[in-house]
Amino acid sequence: GAVVSQHPSRVICKSGTSVKIECRSLDFQATTMFWYRQFPKQSLMLMATSNEGSKATYEQGVEKDKFLINHASLTLSTLTVTSAHPEDSSFYICSAPLAGEFDTQYFGPGTRLTVL
Amino acid sequence: AQKVTQAQTEISVVEKEDVTLDCVYETRDTTYYLFWYKQPPSGELVFLIRRNSFDEQNEISGRYSWNFQKSTSSFNFTITASQVVDSAVYFCALSLYNFNKFYFGSGTKLNVKP
Repeated sequence: GAVVSQHPSRVICKSGTSVKIECRSLDFQATTMFWYRQFPKQSLMLMATSNEGSKATYEQGVEKDKFLINHASLTLSTLTVTSAHPEDSSFYICSAPLAGEFDTQYFGPGTRLTVL
Repeated sequence: AQKVTQAQTEISVVEKEDVTLDCVYETRDTTYYLFWYKQPPSGELVFLIRRNSFDEQNEISGRYSWNFQKSTSSFNFTITASQVVDSAVYFCALSLYNFNKFYFGSGTKLNVKP
């Protein structure tokens, strides 16, 4: 099956710093990728849709200047949490569909961000 | 608007008991997909099943079975003879045809005790 990886798997940073999380489709190309956020003991909430070659589409209530998304190639999307604060601590998960398959998402293993 | 409701926040059972996890969804679209995912403590989502809105056949896979009923907008998941390894959070999700966005339920934490 299709594989999506995320790097890093865990990151701890100081408040005020920026953190970059990578999402890669390892064996397929993805023109679209999705970023989700999961607070402890809560559900996954879609943050934004990452589009290769164009701007990301953000869900209502998500600060686009805070969560910068860059879909630089057909296999890589990055999420940068700028000037991170403790309330940004969360589990971030990306997903990607195979081209032409609109009903299946392949999820990455997630990145746990802790901001001190 | 789309919505997925998992009313059971947490369920505890003793090993070998059967357990059913409920999922109720809302959508006005006629073509949609329903999913179940398992999320162990490691956090990675494990795909369990996908069902499209035109296929109401129930499915069984080993100890797992799913009951899809459009009349009640439900897609329930039953684990037969539960095992400790089944302990995890289970999410039900909905996506619409031609849209890749997933709408997740709030999840049900299943605790299987030995």
